[in-house]
Amino acid sequence: RKEVEQDPGPFNVPEGATVAFNCTYSNSASQSFFWYRQDCRKEPKLLMSVYSSGNEDGRFTAQLNRASQYISLLIRDSKLSDSATYLCVVRGGGYQKVTFGTGTKLQVIP
Amino acid sequence: GAVVSQHPSWVICKSGTSVKIECRSLDFQATTMFWYRQFPKQSLMLMATSNEGSKATYEQGVEKDKFLINHASLTLSTLTVTSAHPEDSSFYICSARGPSGGAVDTQYFGPGTRLTVL
Repeated sequence: RKEVEQDPGPFNVPEGATVAFNCTYSNSASQSFFWYRQDCRKEPKLLMSVYSSGNEDGRFTAQLNRASQYISLLIRDSKLSDSATYLCVVRGGGYQKVTFGTGTKLQVIP
Repeated sequence: GAVVSQHPSWVICKSGTSVKIECRSLDFQATTMFWYRQFPKQSLMLMATSNEGSKATYEQGVEKDKFLINHASLTLSTLTVTSAHPEDSSFYICSARGPSGGAVDTQYFGPGTRLTVL
């Protein structure tokens, strides 16, 4: 089983739609969770951290379910500019090794 | 936000040559930097963790003698791909752990270096 798993997609959604991505992780000792966004041939950029209580940033909502070991990202009112690959990132203890999921590709269609 | 630079942004070299990639944190001191490699349509794979003033910690399967890492200062880490071969062609990205403080620290990524070995 991979340490961090995501549905690679692509998710093709119309503008204005709501879309959700899930990500599962295998290490129950994982401590921190993030969503990054990566545009084609660019470096990943932090989208948001994921807190235990869940957090929201504008149209983006992230949630963590430790019992089931998954995190989710909800995007409301999708914009064309949201088209990108969304990477789930999990960080463990020790040297705080960071593990990336393979990413979920989102394509927002006019 | 914190800025991390990489140089060069792209490089083409002949098989057998060595290539050095620099990663700099421009406005903060980074005691820890990370080196990743990303093949097309795949996720980032951590190669090694670089700590200032000490030896890098390599992930399983990454040859430390082939991928030399030097973290000589708090703002600079270098990755040297020695005797590069076509299979080393990839997108190499560094990241630096952000300034300390806050409940959750983050990593800031450099823009990446695209290496093509002919």
